[in-house]
Amino acid sequence: GAGVSQSPSNKVTEKGKDVELRCDPISGHTALYWYRQRLGQGLEFLIYFQGNSAPDKSGLPSDRFSAERTGESVSTLTIQRTQQEDSAVYLCASSSVPGGNYGYTFGSGTRLTVV
Amino acid sequence: QKEVEQNSGPLSVPEGAIASLNCTYSDRGSQSFFWYRQYSGKSPELIMFIYSNGDKEDGRFTAQLNKASQYVSLLIRDSQPSDSATYLCAVKNTGGFKTIFGAGTRLFVKA
Repeated sequence: GAGVSQSPSNKVTEKGKDVELRCDPISGHTALYWYRQRLGQGLEFLIYFQGNSAPDKSGLPSDRFSAERTGESVSTLTIQRTQQEDSAVYLCASSSVPGGNYGYTFGSGTRLTVV
Repeated sequence: QKEVEQNSGPLSVPEGAIASLNCTYSDRGSQSFFWYRQYSGKSPELIMFIYSNGDKEDGRFTAQLNKASQYVSLLIRDSQPSDSATYLCAVKNTGGFKTIFGAGTRLFVKA
């Protein structure tokens, strides 16, 4: 697609429920990143996918968080048993260059609210 | 010490003035430096990247890098009200994959 597409744009969920967030990167972009941005704060790295290589999951905050990506296509970020501290904007970004040496293109984000 | 530090602001400048945004980083191995702009409620968008010491100009924007001082800045000339946003400084290592973002500086340009 022309840009990085994320869905849903907004999600309100009850504490304890599972949620799934989706990211469709720019066509041909091999690198895909998930970041989290809490209100008024900077971006927190979560996970990085590069082609068919094993992802780097070092930023995932707990085992309630997981992410998948098949090849160079869509990625899903799943949060199980959501907690109120999971409330944030989840941003996906992609890059045509491995490692994002020339910067990223971000999607519009998913605003997650856990009530 | 945070990996990437920015003054949170807000920085307020009059229309037409030069806005100067500053950033320091802790990892001397950092090689790539980025400035992103983030409007309220929107996602970040890349303005510029810089790799080498010195200045890099793109239109009204100039990025400045001093690796010895671990300092990177962004100058916005002829500031416009439409430049009002949060500016995020970001840093990554050569060969690394992860870009670390600062918390951002809020800029207000008064008409």
